[in-house]
Amino acid sequence: AQSVTQPDIHITVSEGASLELRCNYSYGATPYLFWYVQSPGQGLQLLLKYFSGDTLVQGIKGFEAEFKRSQSSFNLRKPSVHWSDAAEYFCAVGSGGYNKLIFGAGTRLAVHP
Amino acid sequence: DAGVIQSPRHEVTEMGQEVTLRCKPISGHNSLFWYRQTMMRGLELLIYFNNNVPIDDSGMPEDRFSAKMPNASFSTLKIQPSEPRDSAVYFCASSLGLAGTHEQFFGPGTRLTVL
Repeated sequence: AQSVTQPDIHITVSEGASLELRCNYSYGATPYLFWYVQSPGQGLQLLLKYFSGDTLVQGIKGFEAEFKRSQSSFNLRKPSVHWSDAAEYFCAVGSGGYNKLIFGAGTRLAVHP
Repeated sequence: DAGVIQSPRHEVTEMGQEVTLRCKPISGHNSLFWYRQTMMRGLELLIYFNNNVPIDDSGMPEDRFSAKMPNASFSTLKIQPSEPRDSAVYFCASSLGLAGTHEQFFGPGTRLTVL
């Protein structure tokens, strides 16, 4: 069955430090992969998505993600974190004939000044 | 565009009462989703409509939950009777295409508290 694993429940980084959030997926066919962000008290917002082409995808707010088929991973990165990046981040994979979107459990990011 | 609109934003009710949550998707979007988010269970898809037709309702917890989409611009999620374990944030989202391929735009959510 299709699944998404985000191994880190909570991550704390200092402002200005680099960030990498991990995501591993299980899907037999070519996956559609997404990263969403949820700020406190708000709905989810798309950061970026990947289906084909360049395996390094650029998104909004300075985020990028790299698709690695051999590792079944789609990790999210940002070179320098800002305090406003504190939020919960969800990785998701499109499955079920692309009629279903499966979310990971989320990673909550805290940013220290 | 105003984005996905949900009402009410907050709802407090007593166990056994009927609760109706409302959603207006983004104009032109043909897919609509209802999600529930709790600390314990995370984000769960309850039901997914495409062109006003329910495609996947496997996430609806039990018969107490029902959802309708009478037209392309309105959907409701009803809980009758409500129970304390239904307390959660309920999100509505809409998209231009299939659930697994297109960006979903989320509303601000309805925070439901059942006493």
